[in-house]
Amino acid sequence: EAGVAQSPRYKIIEKRQSVAFWCNPISGHATLYWYQQILGQGPKLLIQFQNNGVVDDSQLPKDRFSAERLKGVDSTLKIQPAKLEDSAVYLCASSSYSGSYEQYFGPGTRLTVT
Amino acid sequence: RKEVEQDPGPFNVPEGATVAFNCTYSNSASQSFFWYRQDCRKEPKLLMSVYSSGNEDGRFTAQLNRASQYISLLIRDSKLSDSATYLCAVYGGKLTFGQGTILTVHP
Repeated sequence: EAGVAQSPRYKIIEKRQSVAFWCNPISGHATLYWYQQILGQGPKLLIQFQNNGVVDDSQLPKDRFSAERLKGVDSTLKIQPAKLEDSAVYLCASSSYSGSYEQYFGPGTRLTVT
Repeated sequence: RKEVEQDPGPFNVPEGATVAFNCTYSNSASQSFFWYRQDCRKEPKLLMSVYSSGNEDGRFTAQLNRASQYISLLIRDSKLSDSATYLCAVYGGKLTFGQGTILTVHP
């Protein structure tokens, strides 16, 4: 079974630029999550989708971050404009249904904002 | 108070040692508990779920104490390959992670 796919793996941008990340969850997984992991910390949930609907985006900085999952499969996370403090690893995870709390992570996108 | 707290370590132990990590959580309504392992520059991988009765998987034992609101992970007979960051995660509506505990096993 293929795991969660993410791209790009690395991205370096200057502050105030925009960036987008892509995620393809494990086939059949209805629930998709985006996490931000800053160096030395645990992952922090940004947004959770159930199929193509948002379940929780309470920790998403909506003034600059946006995410979508239009067809209930792939998802994109966008930052516009980026700030220095957005430098982190952005992890996508999926689980088979909302009641299953076991989540499987993709390899992440390492973002550096200069 | 943080929702989930771990001792960040680092823990430096010799091969063959037994090492234990604790994790405390603040939400008494939390429903499920997990330990994840994260290798350097890699994604977190689920190590084991933690059940009320405690559970064991080979050299790894996880326990949950709901009354005191903590979970623990015990690693027996440590191997060099156990060197990693161990993240506890607590589900109470969403999955909340601790900051991770760094373990280094040396020869």
